[in-house]
Amino acid sequence: DAMVIQNPRYQVTQFGKPVTLSCSQTLNHNVMYWYQQKSSQAPKLLFHYYDKDFNNEADTPDNFQSRRPNTSFCFLDIRSPGLGDAAMYLCATKGARPKQPQHFGDGTRLSIL
Amino acid sequence: AQSVTQLDSHVSVSEGTPVLLRCNYSSSYSPSLFWYVQHPNKGLQLLLKYTSAATLVKGINGFEAEFKKSETSFHLTKPSAHMSDAAEYFCVSLNQAGTALIFGKGTTLSVSS
Repeated sequence: DAMVIQNPRYQVTQFGKPVTLSCSQTLNHNVMYWYQQKSSQAPKLLFHYYDKDFNNEADTPDNFQSRRPNTSFCFLDIRSPGLGDAAMYLCATKGARPKQPQHFGDGTRLSIL
Repeated sequence: AQSVTQLDSHVSVSEGTPVLLRCNYSSSYSPSLFWYVQHPNKGLQLLLKYTSAATLVKGINGFEAEFKKSETSFHLTKPSAHMSDAAEYFCVSLNQAGTALIFGKGTTLSVSS
């Protein structure tokens, strides 16, 4: 059974048109992460939530924002997508205990027209 | 600074032959290390984890890895490759605060019949 669920799996949007990607989890984990992964590269962390506390990576563009309305859901908002934002976006979760691994969803592949 | 180096960007094996994917780490503290696998258009799946217990770690699908402090290595092995093992493999470390993953660049495993 899928424990970290990302919707949609594939998303197409137009240049400059806002888009929202969604992630939900059934693990009741405290921490939720968003990564961007471009072709043939490792995932790059954009930001994460520890419960309601938001932690932005220093090099994440302002164009990317996130919301976590409750423990189960987290959203990635891209305000004005550019061609360079086409990528796979991965959501991951982790429990509060130290040294636990992260659990990933299957990702949303975003295309920009 | 902590880092993870995957020594091969691409490994090719024949079905039924052993698999060796090499990973070295650099850390000033006792590391937590993971191997993840990513199949095309999928998220990352945890294969195994080392968190300072047994140095030989067994994972899913017949994979195992051995933590060698003297060699700062955490190589992934499997006795007999299957076609379904063809994928991207990431060696990953956890930062000292336990808040972020540090990824190697990945190794693409190809399996031929």
